[in-house]
Amino acid sequence: GAVVSQHPSRVICKSGTSVKIECRSLDFQATTMFWYRQFPKQSLMLMATSNEGSKATYEQGVEKDKFLINHASLTLSTLTVTSAHPEDSSFYICSARQAASGDSETQYFGPGTRLLVL
Amino acid sequence: GQNIDQPTEMTATEGAIVQINCTYQTSGFNGLFWYQQHAGEAPTFLSYNVLDGLEEKGRFSSFLSRSKGYSYLLLKELQMKDSASYLCAVMDSNYQLIWGAGTKLIIKP
Repeated sequence: GAVVSQHPSRVICKSGTSVKIECRSLDFQATTMFWYRQFPKQSLMLMATSNEGSKATYEQGVEKDKFLINHASLTLSTLTVTSAHPEDSSFYICSARQAASGDSETQYFGPGTRLLVL
Repeated sequence: GQNIDQPTEMTATEGAIVQINCTYQTSGFNGLFWYQQHAGEAPTFLSYNVLDGLEEKGRFSSFLSRSKGYSYLLLKELQMKDSASYLCAVMDSNYQLIWGAGTKLIIKP
C-alpha cells in the first residue's frame, strides 16, 4: 500500500512555456501533499505544502505565482511551473501523507519528475 | 536554529554491518524518519521512530534516543543494492519535516 505516482517522469520544454506535473496517491487518501525540488547532490528542499481544498502554503523564497499548486481532491495534487526558465531545471518530487491512519505522519514519495528547460 | 547532522559519506563491505548516525536539534519533536534514496530516484520510506528504542525491520534497524537527540540506522548483511544515500528527517513541533543532507553509503565487494 501507500503508492504515490507522478506524471510525467521527465519533461523537456522550451524556456517560457508552462509545465504541469501531477501527483496521485493511488491506494490511499492524502489530506496533505508536499512538493519538493532537489538539485544534483543536494538534499530535498520543501517548496510547498498543500491541503485538499485549500490554498497551498509556500516556503520562504518560493514564488507562488510561478509554482502554482492545486490540490483538488484527496488523491491528486498538481504543480504547474509557469514561464519556465533554465534555472527551474531540477528534480521535482511530491509526497503524500495519509489521512486517518495510525501511521499518519509518514510521507510517501512519488518517483519524481525530472524537468529540463532549454 | 534547527539542525540535522549525519556523515556525508561512508564506505562498507558487502556482507558487513554499517551504522549511520544522525543527531538533531529541532524545535519540538514528533518523530524521526529514515529514507533511502538511490541516485536519480525519489526517496523511499525505511523507518519511523517516535519512542526511544530500537525498531527492527528485516536487515534494517533504527534506534532513537530523544534525550540525546540521536538516532542511528543499522544495516546488516550489506548488499551491493544498498549503495544509496540515507536521509534522516525529523518532524518538528509544527509537523514539518526537517531534512538532513543525507549520507552516501558506498558498498564495496
